[in-house]
This record gives sequence, structure tokens and C-alpha cells, in this order.
Amino acid sequence: GESVGLHLPTLSVQEGDNSIINCAYSNSASDYFIWYKQESGKGPQFIIDIRSNMDKRQGQRVTVLLNKTVKHLSLQIAATQPGDSAVYFCAETLNDMRFGAGTRLTVKP
Amino acid sequence: KAGVTQTPRYLIKTRGQQVTLSCSPISGHRSVSWYQQTPGQGLQFLFEYFSETQRNKGNFPGRFSGRQFSNSRSEMNVSTLELGDSALYLCASSLAAGRMDGELFFGEGSRLTVL
Repeated sequence: GESVGLHLPTLSVQEGDNSIINCAYSNSASDYFIWYKQESGKGPQFIIDIRSNMDKRQGQRVTVLLNKTVKHLSLQIAATQPGDSAVYFCAETLNDMRFGAGTRLTVKP
Repeated sequence: KAGVTQTPRYLIKTRGQQVTLSCSPISGHRSVSWYQQTPGQGLQFLFEYFSETQRNKGNFPGRFSGRQFSNSRSEMNVSTLELGDSALYLCASSLAAGRMDGELFFGEGSRLTVL
């Protein structure tokens, strides 16, 4: 069946660098996408969302890019900090919310 | 304002038993959804409730059920527990209904271990 998936299970970056986390989705009818951050022992926390009528959306230190042509979603984190270390999930919404497998981001000091 | 509260946080059951998990949404939120999180399958949608009605259901067997009360609090039940039901069960609430088109606020989860 159709699913949301992530390209890399782990990502390690140096503090201060920019991070890019990728996500591929296969349901072209999905029209709403969200990125979540999950720290150890906690529930997922909303980071940023984007609707399918947009290509880019910016938040505080984060940017989400949506490429509907190739069904690809990415999360960019600027000036990555140790507190950004977590698992990041993308999710797509049509009738329900389906999550990708997650990428573990580790920030090295 | 208080966040989403899930109880119990941790529990251990044996195969064949049943379990009930509780979720209190953020005040004013009328939509509650449930998810199962495991290392192998990731986050999987179980069901969503709005105004005491189940709006959507994921691909889980009938042993998984839920309900929502008039105060928007929700419970989920798993009967005849299997080892594979060991997971973190997450509840999320939101203002939006139906297609879950909106920000979800998650609780910290109930970690179920089935022995």
C-alpha cells in the first residue's frame, strides 16, 4: 500500500551546521504534511506543517520544502543545536495521518 | 494550559489479558486520536474520535477498540493481549475534526509491555 517513508534512518551533524531531513511520500492525493520531533521518553511535538498548495514554509530556524512533482518533503534546520537531537517524523494526511519511519538526528558538539 | 494527559504511563500485562488506557485531551479540544509506536513499525494510526463518534480507523484488528466520552476524554482497550501488542500507545488531541487537518498535541504515552 501507499506509505510515507524516510530516506535515512540516522543523521549526524556538527553543532552550528544546517541539517536536512528528507521524506518521500507515495500518495499523491495527500494534501497536508507535518513534521514532528520526538525526544526520548516524550510524545511527538509539532514542528511545522505545509499544505499541498505551497512549496515552502518557514518557521523559527526550520524550513519545510514540498516537491509535489517527485513527492518529496524535506525539513531544514538552521544552525543545528544539541537540543535538536531527536527523532524526526514526517506525516501525511488524507483521511488519517500516516507517519514515516523517522530519522534520528544527532548533533555533535 | 495543561497538555494531553495519558494514564497509566507504564503497565505490564500477560498474554490473554485486556488493558484499558486513558487519555485526557487539552481543554477545548474535541478530537482525540490514538497511535501505536513500535521500533519495527513506527507510528501507526489506530483511530480518531470527535464528539464521541469514531471518525477514522486504522488497520488494526478488532481487539483494538476505543471510545470517547462527552467531556472529550477517551479510552482505548486492547483485548486478548499478544506479545506483539507491546508498544508505546500515544494519544493526541486537536481542535480539528474529521481529516485530522491541524496540529496534533501528543501526550507522553502509555508504555505497555506484554509478557
